[in-house]
Amino acid sequence: QLQLQESGPGLVSSSETLSLTCTVSGDSISSVSYYWGWIRQPPGKGLEWIGNVYSSGSTYYNPSLKSRVTLSLDTSRNQFSLKLWSVTAADTAVYYCASQRLGSWDELDHWGQGTLVTVSS
Amino acid sequence: QSVLTQPPSVSAAPGQKVTISCSGDSSNMRGNYVTWYQQLPGTAPKLLIYDNNKRPPGIPDRFSVSKSGTSVTLDITGLQTGDEADYYCGIWDSSLSGNWVFGGGTKLTVL
Repeated sequence: QLQLQESGPGLVSSSETLSLTCTVSGDSISSVSYYWGWIRQPPGKGLEWIGNVYSSGSTYYNPSLKSRVTLSLDTSRNQFSLKLWSVTAADTAVYYCASQRLGSWDELDHWGQGTLVTVSS
Repeated sequence: QSVLTQPPSVSAAPGQKVTISCSGDSSNMRGNYVTWYQQLPGTAPKLLIYDNNKRPPGIPDRFSVSKSGTSVTLDITGLQTGDEADYYCGIWDSSLSGNWVFGGGTKLTVL
């Protein structure tokens, strides 16, 4: 059973860099069957996709965030990471990591529990 | 950016049936490969239904989907108080840029 767990600071200062890590257990992030992704949810609002990273290192980013986001893999630790540069209060959200199983539907089949990141001024 | 449209809220009494629509356009409905997610209060979203009514373990068959044109509908029958949650539809746009598109979410209230 695939499990994902987010970790990282819960408070980030405005204009600084938000850094989160997702630790995967139950499968290897080198698996060709998955994309590994990040989704966020501002308080009281809906879901916003941030980006995906594949085992090859290929990445897809939300166009609205692309200039500020970097996703990467650490295969030795079975982790993938998110960096979001130059954060503002609008980046305050619960950040989820998720696995996207590749196929026809490409469903997000497993999610982490989420971690709240607050951007302070 | 493509948009999927959901009603903000729906409600029904226990035991009844409720439907939640998810509408897009021909450019983003990609063969209607829409997936649905349930977010119970205070928890992470979880996969609810995908493919032709495939459900992960533990999801009852009271949850099902149907398709019509560029709209996909989530049906929930035999409503239970534990079904009270936010429901999101989503689709992976596998075109050149790659992009997940989510609906705005529908809050289900079980009266």
